[in-house]
Amino acid sequence: QVQLQESGPGLVKPSGTLSLTCAVSGGSIRSSNWWSWVRQPPGKGLEWIGEIYQSGSTNYNPSLKSRVTISIDKSENQFSLKLSSVTAADTAVYYCARIYYCGGACNWYFDLWGRGTLVTVSS
Amino acid sequence: QSVLTQPPSVSGAPGQRVTISCTGSSSNIGAGYDVHWYQQLPGTAPKLLIYGNSNRPSGVPDRFSGSKSGTSASLAITGLQAEDEADYYCQSYDSSLKVFGTGTKVTVL
Repeated sequence: QVQLQESGPGLVKPSGTLSLTCAVSGGSIRSSNWWSWVRQPPGKGLEWIGEIYQSGSTNYNPSLKSRVTISIDKSENQFSLKLSSVTAADTAVYYCARIYYCGGACNWYFDLWGRGTLVTVSS
Repeated sequence: QSVLTQPPSVSGAPGQRVTISCTGSSSNIGAGYDVHWYQQLPGTAPKLLIYGNSNRPSGVPDRFSGSKSGTSASLAITGLQAEDEADYYCQSYDSSLKVFGTGTKVTVL
């Protein structure tokens, strides 16, 4: 079955750039799904960061849009997240997830999640 | 700041029924968009629990049920079990954005 696995540095310095990759295994990233990043600060709730389709089309959370770039590498079957100018407020567990479109009012839901990776912003 | 509001916590004894509300507005749930629910066990990733207001993915016990009315939705857990102790999040769609609820911690007494 399809699995997602996040990877990247667990520690990023303030004002630096957070970079993570999500490897898709057991299936193709070229499927009819959007691929997304969601984060969760310690002890807090979930926040949708953004998403990408196989065509390269992206959508971002307006609250992060100026700092976020999501890209896709179909040859490697993976997609990536870059978040620039990070501060301590960006410390969180970052999840990659697959989004399924169920149509009409059913809209979109996250049907598959990676295990998550903790990124700490600290000097 | 989330646009979907949930109670911070609910609790119940084993075997009891508990419900979790998810209150939105006319731009999300009230606009007709469905609500989905996720269960997050301690130290793990969220898992899809209910989609399309009331549908259970394969493998989810029928103790879990969902409903929607107006600008709100609810998740019910009947026959509460110790393994149901977790955080629960609702999720919907608002102005082209995927939005999550504030989250509810369910404690089994």
